[in-house]
Amino acid sequence: AQSVTQLGSHVSVSEGALVLLRCNYSSSVPPYLFWYVQYPNQGLQLLLKYTSAATLVKGINGFEAEFKKSETSFHLTKPSAHMSDAAEYFCAVSDGNFGNEKLTFGTGTRLTIIP
Amino acid sequence: KAGVTQTPRYLIKTRGQQVTLSCSPISGHRSVSWYQQTPGQGLQFLFEYFSETQRNKGNFPGRFSGRQFSNSRSEMNVSTLELGDSALYLCASSSGTSNTGELFFGEGSRLTVL
Repeated sequence: AQSVTQLGSHVSVSEGALVLLRCNYSSSVPPYLFWYVQYPNQGLQLLLKYTSAATLVKGINGFEAEFKKSETSFHLTKPSAHMSDAAEYFCAVSDGNFGNEKLTFGTGTRLTIIP
Repeated sequence: KAGVTQTPRYLIKTRGQQVTLSCSPISGHRSVSWYQQTPGQGLQFLFEYFSETQRNKGNFPGRFSGRQFSNSRSEMNVSTLELGDSALYLCASSSGTSNTGELFFGEGSRLTVL
């Protein structure tokens, strides 16, 4: 069974500083990995996804993530934080089997931006 | 292209009642999944429907049920509500015919059980 672990339930960074949100996965098959963002009182929006095409994945709003098989990691980064980045971020994994639309989510990381 | 639409957005029920939530997927999407989000348990998979058939099921009691109609719209029902059922219920749609697992989420239905 697949699983993801997000390290740090709360992360605070200053505006303009580097954002680093950590995600480690466990999967018996090559995984498909995702980062979703949730703003208050809203659903989840896809930031980016890894589906084995390229290890460095660029997403929306300046975010990117690097798939590192040796470290079983898929950390999310953004070079310069903006106030609008304040939200909750979820890492998720799918085993990529056809017909399996189930995602397993991490527990989430709440990102606070300090002015 | 319209996104995933969930109704109602907010509702309050009392213990023992039942509730039905509705989800309209993105046009052309044939798969609809439901997730429960709570502060304590996070995001948990309830079930997924594809072409009116339940294709995947999570680990929830039988009080939680769902169905999908021929136009791909889906409903989920919770019977005999308990306080612990208070949560944000999220619906997500996808084509259902790829294996990337990419889901498109609605804004959710927030259920409060008193």
